[in-house]
Amino acid sequence: QKEVEQNSGPLSVPEGAIASLNCTYSDRGSQSFFWYRQYSGKSPELIMFIYSNGDKEDGRFTAQLNKASQYVSLLIRDSQPSDSATYLCAVNSGAGSYQLTFGKGTKLSVIP
Amino acid sequence: SAVISQKPSRDICQRGTSLTIQCQVDSQVTMMFWYRQQPGQSLTLIATANQGSEATYESGFVIDKFPISRPNLTFSTLTVSNMSPEDSSIYLCSVGVAGGPNEQFFGPGTRLTVL
Repeated sequence: QKEVEQNSGPLSVPEGAIASLNCTYSDRGSQSFFWYRQYSGKSPELIMFIYSNGDKEDGRFTAQLNKASQYVSLLIRDSQPSDSATYLCAVNSGAGSYQLTFGKGTKLSVIP
Repeated sequence: SAVISQKPSRDICQRGTSLTIQCQVDSQVTMMFWYRQQPGQSLTLIATANQGSEATYESGFVIDKFPISRPNLTFSTLTVSNMSPEDSSIYLCSVGVAGGPNEQFFGPGTRLTVL
């Protein structure tokens, strides 16, 4: 049974701070890792993916992957109230499969 | 990324009836999926919609309850049959785009309430 674990939160950070969202996964053979943002009442929106160990930066977002520790994280710098949403971590097992296993999500609240 | 639409966006249905949800993509895509997201929960994969063949269902989901069609590379339907209040959920279709890291993009979802 492939599992993806996230702290459900809520995670509250002040505006302008760094928000750190964490995710662990059970399938050591997992290949690709995704972060989706989901606003209340909306569908998930892909914000980042990563498949190599290390950091990947895109604007205010940085994804970090450590396959040895089976750990992936998302950092949001200069957090804004508009970043308030639930962040879903998703993992793909690779080997040509498109299937994703989702975590339960972390609810982030950025306080003005 | 592909533009994905779903119909209806929401519906309120009576117990015992069926509802068919449509998913339309503006370009041909390799993979299409159907998910369920129950209130306050994450996404659960129902099935992979295969073009020209029967869908591949995940554990706990069966064809009699959730029949799926995929007549071409841009369209799929999911039917929720013989509904009960436990089927109240958001149903989402997603597409997988070839050539990338196997990411998926989601449609806007269908919010279903069963009375």
